[in-house]
Amino acid sequence: DTGVSQDPRHKITKRGQNVTFRCDPISEHNRLYWYRQTLGQGPEFLTYFQNEAQLEKSRLLSDRFSAERPKGSFSTLEIQRTEQGDSAMYLCASSLTGRGYGYTFGSGTRLTVV
Amino acid sequence: AQKVTQAQTEISVVEKEDVTLDCVYETRDTTYYLFWYKQPPSGELVFLIRRNSFDEQNEISGRYSWNFQKSTSSFNFTITASQVVDSAVYFCALSPDRAAGNKLTFGGGTRVLVKP
Repeated sequence: DTGVSQDPRHKITKRGQNVTFRCDPISEHNRLYWYRQTLGQGPEFLTYFQNEAQLEKSRLLSDRFSAERPKGSFSTLEIQRTEQGDSAMYLCASSLTGRGYGYTFGSGTRLTVV
Repeated sequence: AQKVTQAQTEISVVEKEDVTLDCVYETRDTTYYLFWYKQPPSGELVFLIRRNSFDEQNEISGRYSWNFQKSTSSFNFTITASQVVDSAVYFCALSPDRAAGNKLTFGGGTRVLVKP
């Protein structure tokens, strides 16, 4: 297992377009998280899944954002009608269920909205 | 609400100097976990350490050491004899000790620049 994979690594899009990112977690990890990191800041929690169920969403996740994890495997994060403020690094992480397990993070998808 | 504060935004040292990164946290939880992550220029967050709030023993791992003081809500990190490869952004993070979800709250990060 090579860790958490994210695709694409970089995405440049025009304002108003829709974008979709993919995350493939470590296969035995049943929890999957999405975080957003803007320049010079720490990552901020967006949402998490346990298996296929989305159990928590941050208030940062506006109605233009949607995340899915069909069949509890890979996950997608879609942003509709992108805005310049959406420009950020989108990080995916996975972990085992249970108290205090550390996450394994992917390398992230850097989104630039022009 | 949980909060993590890393007051130092950037630290610059010369190779072989020691560098200490400060982390102060706030939480209402009685049990929690604290983490340190390293983010090199490639962007991936690399896990360094996890500590449970019940375990206040300091820890040393190679050139890394951690000082956890519950009384002052601090979890500081020291790199001894720094090397150029240590140049990165370091994040302190906090998560509740709950079975139902353990999302991380990160500090703003401290950029460490080690000059040869």
